[in-house]
Amino acid sequence: QVQLQESGPGLVKPSETLSLTCTVSGGSINNYYWTWIRQPAGKELEWIGRIYSSGSTNYNPSLKSRVTVSVDTSKKQVSLKLNSVTAADTAMYYCARADSTIYAFDIWGRGTMVTVSS
Amino acid sequence: EIVMTQSPATLSVSPGERATLSCRASQSVSSDLAWYRQKPGQAPRLLIYGASTRATGIPARFNGSGSGTEFTLTISSLQSEDSALYFCHQYIYWPLCTFGQGTKLEIK
Repeated sequence: QVQLQESGPGLVKPSETLSLTCTVSGGSINNYYWTWIRQPAGKELEWIGRIYSSGSTNYNPSLKSRVTVSVDTSKKQVSLKLNSVTAADTAMYYCARADSTIYAFDIWGRGTMVTVSS
Repeated sequence: EIVMTQSPATLSVSPGERATLSCRASQSVSSDLAWYRQKPGQAPRLLIYGASTRATGIPARFNGSGSGTEFTLTISSLQSEDSALYFCHQYIYWPLCTFGQGTKLEIK
C-alpha cells in the first residue's frame, strides 16, 4: 500500500532554512495533492501548503512568504522549505496525500520532529 | 479562520461500550468534515470524510454524523485497539483547512 516517509534534519538553527522531504512508496505520485502539515507540541495541526503532481501550489497565507513546496515526480518526492525559522516553527511535520474526490487526507506519514534552536 | 473545538478532551469508556466524540465548528462547514485516528508513533488514519462516509477499510462500528457546525463520531463495540487520539478536520474552503485539538479516547 502507499506509504509516506518524511525525512530531514531534526535540528535547525534560528534564521536558517528548514528543509524536509517526503518520499512516496507503494503507489503513484501522479494525480494527487501532496500536503505538508505541522503540529507544535500541545497545539492543533496546522496546514502549511500543498502541491499537485503537476506542480501547482497553494500555501497557508500565514506562512506563504516563507514557504516553498516542490515535487520531483521522477524520484517520487515532495519537498518543503521554510526559511527564516524561529522557535515557533518547532513542531512535528507531516506529509499527507489528498485527492479532489474526497478532499480529506487519506494517507499520512508518521511525521518528523523538527526543533529550532541554536 | 474556522476554529474547530472538540469535546471532551479525554474520554474513558469500557470495552464493548459506545463512545461519542463531538466536534464543533465556529461557523458552518456544511458536510466538509473528516475524522482521523492517531495512535502514538503512528501516522494518522482517515476514518470518516464528508461528515459521514467511512474511508476504505473502516469498519461499520465507526459512524460519523452532523452537518453545519455540529458533528459527532460514534464508535460502538469498543475494543482496546481503539485507544487513540481522534481529531476532526474541516475543509470547506479547500485547500485551506483547520483541525480540532483532538479527543483522547481511553479504553479502561
